[in-house]
Amino acid sequence: DAGVTQSPTHLIKTRGQQVTLRCSPKSGHDTVSWYQQALGQGPQFIFQYYEEEERQRGNFPDRFSGHQFPNYSSELNVNALLLGDSALYLCASSLVGLLQETQYFGPGTRLLVL
Amino acid sequence: AQTVTQSQPEMSVQEAETVTLSCTYDTSENNYYLFWYKQPPSRQMILVIRQEAYKQQNATENRFSVNFQKAAKSFSLKISDSQLGDTAMYFCAFMKQKDNAGNMLTFGGGTRLMVKP
Repeated sequence: DAGVTQSPTHLIKTRGQQVTLRCSPKSGHDTVSWYQQALGQGPQFIFQYYEEEERQRGNFPDRFSGHQFPNYSSELNVNALLLGDSALYLCASSLVGLLQETQYFGPGTRLLVL
Repeated sequence: AQTVTQSQPEMSVQEAETVTLSCTYDTSENNYYLFWYKQPPSRQMILVIRQEAYKQQNATENRFSVNFQKAAKSFSLKISDSQLGDTAMYFCAFMKQKDNAGNMLTFGGGTRLMVKP
């Protein structure tokens, strides 16, 4: 049973650039959530996608956007990168309607902005 | 808005002993879920245990158990017979109960647990 996968594992960008992170949910899951985890802190919710729509959004600027594809995979896009965007980006998947409250996490993408 | 507080930034325990990690939360919701996640140095967030707020019985998973005190808004994790592989960051998390999508996790700041041989 394939778990949540994310790519790439590491990424280095410079200020002002744009980045796209990718996530494939656990087999059978239809909902993808994205979190940002700064070093030494707990993850912060960015947004959640279900049925290809953004269902809920955390306190993040519009520079952070996303997309969900018909196969339930998802992308996180960050425009005009800032130094403060350096963090571990975690993707989590779940299934609406059945144990929907349980989110399973991928290994994360470490983004460094120089 | 919900908040989750973990008051112990770091803890250590000897192998085979028992340790308890604390978590308190603040919410006006009556129906919700609570979780403990483990994040080892490999950084993958792993679900340890979950608790439904409507259940009075405390959840247990092998060596892991919780002490859920709804009135006190407290949710502690007890690890029995600690093993070296338990060394990790532990995060307490809260989720409101919703019928459809839109469930976000609110995390605490974490407790770094070191198990010593």
